[in-house]
Amino acid sequence: AQSVTQPDIHITVSEGASLELRCNYSYGATPYLFWYVQSPGQGLQLLLKYFSGDTLVQGIKGFEAEFKRSQSSFNLRKPSVHWSDAAEYFCAVGRTGRSGGGADGLTFGKGTHLIIQP
Amino acid sequence: ETGVTQTPRHLVMGMTNKKSLKCEQHLGHNAMYWYKQSAKKPLELMFVYSLEERVENNSVPSRFSPECPNSSHLFLHLHTLQPEDSALYLCASSPGQGYYNEQFFGPGTRLTVL
Repeated sequence: AQSVTQPDIHITVSEGASLELRCNYSYGATPYLFWYVQSPGQGLQLLLKYFSGDTLVQGIKGFEAEFKRSQSSFNLRKPSVHWSDAAEYFCAVGRTGRSGGGADGLTFGKGTHLIIQP
Repeated sequence: ETGVTQTPRHLVMGMTNKKSLKCEQHLGHNAMYWYKQSAKKPLELMFVYSLEERVENNSVPSRFSPECPNSSHLFLHLHTLQPEDSALYLCASSPGQGYYNEQFFGPGTRLTVL
């Protein structure tokens, strides 16, 4: 079964500093990987996704993530954070349904809460 | 309205009440999903619908009953809930079935069961 681990529950970063959020996954085949962000009182918004090809993917709001198969990781990075980046970040892996096909959901990690210090 | 909308945004109900959550997507998608988001737990997939047909029920108790009358609307009917069912319920949609599809989420319904 698929699983996603986000080892950091909370991370505090100073505004303007760089950011890296960790994500490790367990999946038997080539994974489809996603990063979502959730601001307070809001639903989840997709930041970026990896399906195949270039292992460094660019997303919205200046975020990028690197897929490393050897480490089963898909870490999210941003070179300089802004106060508006404070939110909950979720890593997810696309999962196959129990029927082996058909509409499938996502398996999420528990999330990392990002706090931005002025 | 654009994207995925959910109503109501907040709901408080007693254990003996019956209520329904509504989700509507304005994206022309064919698949819709219900997720449960509890504090300190990962988002849990509850139900998956593709072209109005339920394709997955992720071991959800029968006190939760989904309904998908058409590809744009999804309901979650609630009855005799327990306090541990208090959570944020998120609806999502995607262009089609398949785990490679990006899912678009609504803002959620915050449910409190007294």
